[in-house]
Amino acid sequence: EDKVVQSPLSLVVHEGDTVTLNCSYEVTNFRSLLWYKQEKKAPTFLFMLTSSGIEKKSGRLSSILDKKELFSILNITATQTGDSAVYLCAVPPSGTASKLTFGTGTRLQVTL
Amino acid sequence: SAVISQKPSRDICQRGTSLTIQCQVDSQVTMMFWYRQQPGQSLTLIATANQGSEATYESGFVIDKFPISRPNLTFSTLTVSNMSPEDSSIYLCSVGARQGTGETQYFGPGTRLLVL
Repeated sequence: EDKVVQSPLSLVVHEGDTVTLNCSYEVTNFRSLLWYKQEKKAPTFLFMLTSSGIEKKSGRLSSILDKKELFSILNITATQTGDSAVYLCAVPPSGTASKLTFGTGTRLQVTL
Repeated sequence: SAVISQKPSRDICQRGTSLTIQCQVDSQVTMMFWYRQQPGQSLTLIATANQGSEATYESGFVIDKFPISRPNLTFSTLTVSNMSPEDSSIYLCSVGARQGTGETQYFGPGTRLLVL
């Protein structure tokens, strides 16, 4: 059975800190791994990763994939209170190209 | 990316009643999905809404409880039937989209449902 596990489940940091969120997966036929940010209701797309070792970057956020060890990390540098959200990773499950299996998410709270 | 709207954005319903949630996309899309997110949980796929044919339901979800319509490539509805407090969740529609060599999904703003 396909699995996506995220850690930590929750995290509280001070503004300006750097955080690393983890996502490990078990999928028979890996295609891609996606990161989303969920602030209220709707998850917003951050990154899609398909190749090992190639960093995707957007402002203070970056992500990288390790297909050998079956995990991805999402880094946020110089965190701001606006980064407070649940961060979700997801993979298409085996045998499908379109559906997504989501991890449990990491709840990040950035305090002043 | 596609612009997706959902109606209603939130509702409070009595048990035993039904609620229909609408999802509208500003462009034609092949793949549309409906998810549920129960309080404190992650997203769980309910079904894939297929245009012109019956929706494809995931394990644990049935058509009698969650009937879905997909009359065209820009619109879908999800009905939550005979509601109970356990149906209190956020319901999200999403659309599939090409992203480079892969596929991603973009989500609508969600419908927050509370069943009393």
